[in-house]
Amino acid sequence: DAGVIQSPRHEVTEMGQEVTLRCKPISGHDYLFWYRQTMMRGLELLIYFNNNVPIDDSGMPEDRFSAKMPNASFSTLKIQPSEPRDSAVYFCASSPGTSVGTDTQYFGPGTRLTVL
Amino acid sequence: AQSVAQPEDQVNVAEGNPLTVKCTYSVSGNPYLFWYVQYPNRGLQFLLKYITGDNLVKGSYGFEAEFNKSQTSFHLKKPSALVSDSALYFCAVRALSGYSTLTFGKGTMLLVSP
Repeated sequence: DAGVIQSPRHEVTEMGQEVTLRCKPISGHDYLFWYRQTMMRGLELLIYFNNNVPIDDSGMPEDRFSAKMPNASFSTLKIQPSEPRDSAVYFCASSPGTSVGTDTQYFGPGTRLTVL
Repeated sequence: AQSVAQPEDQVNVAEGNPLTVKCTYSVSGNPYLFWYVQYPNRGLQFLLKYITGDNLVKGSYGFEAEFNKSQTSFHLKKPSALVSDSALYFCAVRALSGYSTLTFGKGTMLLVSP
């Protein structure tokens, strides 16, 4: 398996523009997680899905952020409108399950977002 | 609420010397603990985890971690550091019972000098 795939790897945009980040989880993994990494706040969980259904979005910073998972092999994280403080590395991760022994998360390479 | 503290932003060690990266945690009930490593421009990679049993857990790349319940610690160790071990290391915790998402520490940068 190719692992978790994220695109784009780098995104530079201007304040106010819409940004869409994409993720393809490992095949057969039922759980998908979106994280944000910054120097100030470290690694933060934004939202996670189980079988394409959002389970907990309490980490989504505000209404400008939205995430979808239309099928088992694809998820998007959208920021509209983007702001400079959204600049961060965004990671997608997936896991087979959540029970002990099946919940190891596998991370994608991340998308480095810069909002000017 | 669960939390993880990694008290050192950076650890410096010479190649061949033993290394320790510290982690303390707080969680309700029994802990389920992880270490992940992040190499430059890469995602996090799983190193090892502690569920129950032996307090010394062995993982990938020669790393091991020691669980200490009384000190609520889960320190990462390696007997002999390599330059290639230089990376950012994250400790993470969740409660063993039920399901809760992982809480990660802020990370510790390990720099191994030749």
